[in-house]
Amino acid sequence: QKEVEQDPGPLSVPEGAIVSLNCTYSNSAFQYFMWYRQYSRKGPELLMYTYSSGNKEDGRFTAQVDKSSKYISLFIRDSQPSDSATYLCAMNEYGGSQGNLIFGKGTKLSVKP
Amino acid sequence: DVKVTQSSRYLVKRTGEKVFLECVQDMDHENMFWYRQDPGLGLRLIYFSYDVKMKEKGDIPEGYSVSREKKERFSLILESASTNQTSMYLCASSNPTPRTGEDEKLFFGSGTQLSVL
Repeated sequence: QKEVEQDPGPLSVPEGAIVSLNCTYSNSAFQYFMWYRQYSRKGPELLMYTYSSGNKEDGRFTAQVDKSSKYISLFIRDSQPSDSATYLCAMNEYGGSQGNLIFGKGTKLSVKP
Repeated sequence: DVKVTQSSRYLVKRTGEKVFLECVQDMDHENMFWYRQDPGLGLRLIYFSYDVKMKEKGDIPEGYSVSREKKERFSLILESASTNQTSMYLCASSNPTPRTGEDEKLFFGSGTQLSVL
């Protein structure tokens, strides 16, 4: 079993839809969880950062962590065509140094006008 | 605006050539990283460096080496390029402030798409 599993999609939704992106993981020691967004022909950029379990909200984006189920989610409300990108989950045990960051393979999202 | 700059957007090389990929960051970051990104395999860490003249192997260092002579510059070297090294190469940097959450985030360059023929 791979450490981090993420459905690659592609996922296509109409503008205004609520989008749910998910990752599962196997290492119960992970406690720092991130979502990166990667536009076509660009490098990834950090979208959300959470520590341990719980929710974090930033505008239309909500990140959820359920450590008991080893499951993290990213919700996008009122999705826009500009949200079309690949979303990568990432996680590690210690935070700090990012040399041990484990990435999911990414989910490609397309929001149609 | 913070920036990680990769010297080439696209490169085409022949098998057996020595290839240099250059990365420069202007944020005075201590940490620098080289990843490759392949469809179906995601991002994989090749090498990273926490300081000038130091380097650590990542998950897939075979066939690669790195050089960090100055804090702002981190070079990835393919000693003898092979077709299985055709990939998107991404450089990143970060600053390891103690447990400040988002301040530890990775800043990525736009990538170098390398084709080895």
